[in-house]
Amino acid sequence: QKEVEQNSGPLSVPEGAIASLNCTYSDRGSQSFFWYRQYSGKSPELIMFIYSNGDKEDGRFTAQLNKASQYVSLLIRDSQPSDSATYLCAVNPGGYNKLIFGAGTRLAVHP
Amino acid sequence: DVKVTQSSRYLVKRTGEKVFLECVQDMDHENMFWYRQDPGLGLRLIYFSYDVKMKEKGDIPEGYSVSREKKERFSLILESASTNQTSMYLCASSATGVGTYEQYFGPGTRLTVT
Repeated sequence: QKEVEQNSGPLSVPEGAIASLNCTYSDRGSQSFFWYRQYSGKSPELIMFIYSNGDKEDGRFTAQLNKASQYVSLLIRDSQPSDSATYLCAVNPGGYNKLIFGAGTRLAVHP
Repeated sequence: DVKVTQSSRYLVKRTGEKVFLECVQDMDHENMFWYRQDPGLGLRLIYFSYDVKMKEKGDIPEGYSVSREKKERFSLILESASTNQTSMYLCASSATGVGTYEQYFGPGTRLTVT
């Protein structure tokens, strides 16, 4: 069974701090990795994806991928209360763009 | 903008009823997916389709069937609804081919089976 693991949280950070969200996956052949944000009662929306080892930055968000350790993370700089949501890590093991989702990490940014 | 729509936001059905959930996308995507989302379990794939009339089982297909007669429309069918099918159902679509493609989600249908 291919798995994606995330700490359920809640992860509580003060406004302006860096939030670090982590995800591990079991399928070493996984090809691409996605971070989705889901506000309560809403559907997931893509923040960013990464498929090469290293860092990828987009505004306040940085995704980090380490395929050798089967580990992907999302850093949120200058966290804002509006970043409070559940963050879903998803992994594409290959084929038909299927994704395997983690259960999500709930982030709470407090003023 | 990609738009994925689902036929209902909220639905209440009785045990044993046949339930149809409809999903429509407007971006000519080849791939379409049905998930259910339950607290603590994340999104679990029920079925997906990679072309008209083509379908593949996901991780939890039991008790569900699907239909894709047109490229833009993917239906999820609960043949005989049961209380353990009370959940949030999310439809998604994506392009296919060489490269990395995100899945776009519809707003979700919260189904309650009583």
